[in-house]
Amino acid sequence: GQNIDQPTEMTATEGAIVQINCTYQTSGFNGLFWYQQHAGEAPTFLSYNVLDGLEEKGRFSSFLSRSKGYSYLLLKELQMKDSASYLCAVRDPDSGYALNFGKGTSLLVTP
Amino acid sequence: EAQVTQNPRYLITVTGKKLTVTCSQNMNHEYMSWYRQDPGLGLRQIYYSMNVEVTDKGDVPEGYKVSRKEKRNFPLILESPSPNQTSLYFCASSYGFGGGNTEAFFGQGTRLTVV
Repeated sequence: GQNIDQPTEMTATEGAIVQINCTYQTSGFNGLFWYQQHAGEAPTFLSYNVLDGLEEKGRFSSFLSRSKGYSYLLLKELQMKDSASYLCAVRDPDSGYALNFGKGTSLLVTP
Repeated sequence: EAQVTQNPRYLITVTGKKLTVTCSQNMNHEYMSWYRQDPGLGLRQIYYSMNVEVTDKGDVPEGYKVSRKEKRNFPLILESPSPNQTSLYFCASSYGFGGGNTEAFFGQGTRLTVV
């Protein structure tokens, strides 16, 4: 089975840094993805980790520890437009390489 | 422009009336899948396809059918829709599924209401 956990909601201030955690227990692992989703819109790809360590991409970074089943998404210099839901997903080769999603973290950025 | 196109975007239908939601991608992707998204439950996979004529069930396949006769198209069929299939549906495609960054590209979504 798959179990992917993220906090339900977070609030942060414009200009600040926020870290969104994700823990997972899946039968197989073939990469961890982070997506951003604004209300009523399609998810859009943010980052991908398959090896342990930090991947940096502009204001966004993502970290992975496979031994701990743990990842985080770090958002720096928060902007109001970063208010969205952030989805953690694990690709599992044991279930047809499906992307198994967590329930998402709703981030509210306040002035 | 590389994209995944779903139609319709919005649909209100009655219980038991068969419907099809179309999905088409222009990126020559092998892997396509359908998800439904419900409040508090997140995105759940309905069906997926690894290539033409190869489909398999995801986590919540009951009440749905799919077909993959061409690489670019992956329609979702509801033979007899029921109110519990009211949801936001997304089609997604990705290039392969083995190694490397095989990010999924999502369609715009179809908001279905079954009354």
